[in-house]
Amino acid sequence: DIVMTQSPSSLAVSAGETVTINCKSSQSLLYSGNQKNYLAWYQQKPGQSPKLLIYWASTRQSGVPDRFIGSGSGTDFTLTISSVQAEDLAIYYCQQYYDTPYTFGAGTKLELK
Amino acid sequence: QVQLKESGPGLVQPSQTLSLTCTVAGFSLTSYNVHWVRQPPGKGLEWMGVIWNTGGTRYNSALKSRLSISKDTSKSQVFLKMNSLQTEDTATYYCARSSTTGIPDYWGQGVMVTVSS
Repeated sequence: DIVMTQSPSSLAVSAGETVTINCKSSQSLLYSGNQKNYLAWYQQKPGQSPKLLIYWASTRQSGVPDRFIGSGSGTDFTLTISSVQAEDLAIYYCQQYYDTPYTFGAGTKLELK
Repeated sequence: QVQLKESGPGLVQPSQTLSLTCTVAGFSLTSYNVHWVRQPPGKGLEWMGVIWNTGGTRYNSALKSRLSISKDTSKSQVFLKMNSLQTEDTATYYCARSSTTGIPDYWGQGVMVTVSS
């Protein structure tokens, strides 16, 4: 199974700050056939189901604000949230869909400082 | 409008079998895959398995011996059955759809299942 390692596990921020969440996979998620990275980012707020933010490592899902930026390739990926807003306080998960089982990172909890 | 809704018993006794249904709307199960993901209280997400649009299935190896996913395309329903439940199977169970890309994009609201006597 592909192991997804996320860091940090939690992050305390003030509104307006820029934050970076890291995700590392135990094997490359870059498929040579199409040069796409099979990596997604989700946001989960308390009491809600996960919401897809980013797929193919850097493509924003429709309706997701452009302050959410995904980057990286191969085994190392980053979710950057610029100018954090109060509504962004949530838990963020990375997930690989390169191969089943589609494993998730352990999550990063974004909290208010 | 794409919708997925999980349903099933809120309480299951240890050693019994869990049966959940995911009823979908706004898309066809012949064109989209449906995944099951669970989340124990206060913990992270665990991918359980998927039924492809073709009807094939893949399971998390940790659950494979206990888990079965099937569907009734005509009723737009996907079914999860997991036997020999233990307290550690207490979780919110979600179904989510994906296209052929494999990316789970729409999720149901989830159903909380407690395993307790």
